[in-house]
Order: sequence, then C-alpha cells, then structure tokens
Amino acid sequence: QKEVEQDPGPLSVPEGAIVSLNCTYSNSAFQYFMWYRQYSRKGPELLMYTYSSGNKEDGRFTAQVDKSSKYISLFIRDSQPSDSATYLCAPAAAGNKLTFGGGTRVLVKP
Amino acid sequence: EPEVTQTPSHQVTQMGQEVILRCVPISNHLYFYWYRQILGQKVEFLVSFYNNEISEKSEIFDDQFSVERPDGSNFTLKIRSTKLEDSAMYFCASSDVDSNQPQHFGDGTRLSIL
Repeated sequence: QKEVEQDPGPLSVPEGAIVSLNCTYSNSAFQYFMWYRQYSRKGPELLMYTYSSGNKEDGRFTAQVDKSSKYISLFIRDSQPSDSATYLCAPAAAGNKLTFGGGTRVLVKP
Repeated sequence: EPEVTQTPSHQVTQMGQEVILRCVPISNHLYFYWYRQILGQKVEFLVSFYNNEISEKSEIFDDQFSVERPDGSNFTLKIRSTKLEDSAMYFCASSDVDSNQPQHFGDGTRLSIL
C-alpha cells in the first residue's frame, strides 16, 4: 500500500462549483497535514496546514482531517479558472519530512 | 511576502559532471530541505538540514549527493558525478523556528543530464 494516495484526476468542474479533493494515508505517525497547489513548472505553494484531526477554513479553502480513518480532504468553494492546478497532499510526522501524494489535477472551466 | 529563491532555473549538464544547485531560504528560517520531482512522478524527499548538519536523508541521497550552507544565506545541493536518472526538478524548501512548521518551497531548478 502506498503511503499517501490521491486520485490523479483530472477533475473537471465549471467555474463557481465546489472542488472536493481527497487523500488517504497509511502511516499512523503522521500528525501534520499540508495541502499544496502546484502550477506547471512551478514549486509547490502552501495552501493549508493542519495539525491533528479537525477542520480548518481559510477564505475559499477548507481542510478536513480524520485521523481515525486516515482520510484528508480539501474543499475549494466558488472555484475560479485560476484554481486550475495540481493539488498535492503532504502529511508529515513530528519534525519530519513531507511525504507527498501524487497529486490531483483540477481543471476549472469558465 | 518572503520567498525561497533557487538558481539557476534550468541547468543542462553532461553525464559525469558535477553540478551545484543553489537556494536562498527565507531569511529567519532554520530548517532546510531538498526534494526532487522526476517528470510525471511524485515530489520525493532527499534531505533535511538543521544546525549545520544533515538531520535526515532518504535512500536517494547517496554518496554522490552533498549539501552545504556555505554562508548565512545560501543552501546548496551538489551532485558529484551526474547520471541520466538525476534529471528532475529539484526543489529547495525551508521552515521556521521549529521543524513542525510548514515548509515553503522555491520554484525549483530543472536539471537536465545529457
């Protein structure tokens, strides 16, 4: 079983729709959960940072972590064409390296 | 907003040659990292660095790789004798006063080995 898994997509939605992204992981030691956005030929850009289980909201973005089921979600409200990118989940254990999923490619159509 | 900067943006090198990739982390950050991403694959951890020494390294980071913080601002990754399979995007990242803070990434150096 891969340590961090994401559906590669592409996930295509109309502008204004809610984008729902998911990630599963297998390592129980993960405590910190990051979502990054990556545009083509650019570095990962931090979107959300969550510690342990629960929800966190920042503007149009909401991250949810369920440690009991090892399931991480990211929701993007009122999606825009500029949200078209690859979204990477990257959990980490305490004081440790990030373990990236393969990313989900999102296309928001005008 | 402070950012991580990497140079060069693209490096083309002959197989067997040495290459040095450079990074300027965010100025008050204390933890530094290198990751790589082979085209079409996941971002993979290479090495973490704190207090002038390696704190963790992956299996990829073999004797051909080394890292250095030669002064108060730069952080470098050296590959001694490059192989074709070293072709990838190399990303530098840094994090704040403790290693549990989120990592911020540069835009990477695209390394092409011929």
